[in-house]
Amino acid sequence: GQNIDQPTEMTATEGAIVQINCTYQTSGFNGLFWYQQHAGEAPTFLSYNVLDGLEEKGRFSSFLSRSKGYSYLLLKELQMKDSASYLCAVWGGGSYIPTFGRGTSLIVHP
Amino acid sequence: DTGVSQNPRHKITKRGQNVTFRCDPISEHNRLYWYRQTLGQGPEFLTYFQNEAQLEKSRLLSDRFSAERPKGSFSTLEIQRTEQGDSAMYLCASSDTTNEKLFFGSGTQLSVL
Repeated sequence: GQNIDQPTEMTATEGAIVQINCTYQTSGFNGLFWYQQHAGEAPTFLSYNVLDGLEEKGRFSSFLSRSKGYSYLLLKELQMKDSASYLCAVWGGGSYIPTFGRGTSLIVHP
Repeated sequence: DTGVSQNPRHKITKRGQNVTFRCDPISEHNRLYWYRQTLGQGPEFLTYFQNEAQLEKSRLLSDRFSAERPKGSFSTLEIQRTEQGDSAMYLCASSDTTNEKLFFGSGTQLSVL
């Protein structure tokens, strides 16, 4: 099975940069997802990492180190609308089923 | 492409009643997932279909839960003899074999009184 760990809550200031970490343990890694979920809404896709390194997409970037079982999501130029839960999910071991972490609740304040 | 559609959006029921939820995935998506999510937690896997075949089912899933995808298109999730602990958001997601990204529906919020 998979075990995923991410911080429960983080706070940051509008305009700043924040890094949300995710560590995982899995047998047979296939890929790692990051999703954003606003309260009461469905998760929406942010990024998918398969290979080591940093992938940048606008204000959001995601990093993966497979040897360390570690990923982070980097959010730049924070906006109030970025206040949401950020979910890390991993799939592997021949399964097509992503396993989600409990999510990190990000609060952006003025 | 109208996205993943779930009905109803909200369901309030009394303990012991049966409930059924429907999910219409994105057309041409052959993979369909059901997850359950409670406040402050991430989505918890329930079951997975590839086309009409139910390929995986969580070991945590009670036998009161059953899901179908009869023609490989829409899916239904039924909960029999509901319990208060079943109160949660039930999320459906779909994907295809060329793109690992899961697209989620807006969910069905179940409240068992």
